[in-house]
Amino acid sequence: QVQLVESGGGVVQSGRSLRLSCTASGFTFRSYGMHWVRQAPGKGLEWVAVISYDGSNKYYADSVKGRFTISRDNSKNTLYLQMNSLRTEDTAVYYCAKDRAGYGDAFDIWGQGTMVSVSS
Amino acid sequence: DTLMTQSPSSLSASVGDRVIITCRASEDISNYLAWYQQKPGKVPKLLIYAASTLQSGVPSRFSGSGSGTDFTLTISSLQPEDLATYYCQKYDSAPWTFGQGTKVEIK
Repeated sequence: QVQLVESGGGVVQSGRSLRLSCTASGFTFRSYGMHWVRQAPGKGLEWVAVISYDGSNKYYADSVKGRFTISRDNSKNTLYLQMNSLRTEDTAVYYCAKDRAGYGDAFDIWGQGTMVSVSS
Repeated sequence: DTLMTQSPSSLSASVGDRVIITCRASEDISNYLAWYQQKPGKVPKLLIYAASTLQSGVPSRFSGSGSGTDFTLTISSLQPEDLATYYCQKYDSAPWTFGQGTKVEIK
């Protein structure tokens, strides 16, 4: 079935780095834009970053621009989020999500999320 | 950037009630508007895209309307399993901003 599975979360000190992965199955990964969305404990959803189906276009939320990098390896059906210079306010559950139709659409499939905790 | 504002922030309604949640965009986003449902402890689920198109498998008691800057999500007859937080989201261009959420409780 169509599935997204995130990994790589954990506890990290402020200023350090972490890389999240999201492995896709059940659909043609290389045909869809992919996103990262985060949710701080008890808070709402915050869009983080997007990458187009071929990796040629990337956009970031202002809150992570210059610190986070989204990338993908279509040969491995895997999406990545490299997070550098982490801050305590980056503490959240990080979800990967798939564009419904190609690129620039609503998110029809979400992963189960991976928790990132940044300590001071 | 376009701001997405939902109202109310929370509501309490009885089973069978009609529930309406509104979402306002600070700029015209045409019909590039989605609604998501997030039940407690669960992953968000797409309910509606293109402002009014029901995602496959979503019960017909959910409906969406609007275009431009003003949108609504309607639950025609609230059910106990509709206990959740609902989010609107724009996707006309980056950033793909979410509203702050509307928490729906059952009386």
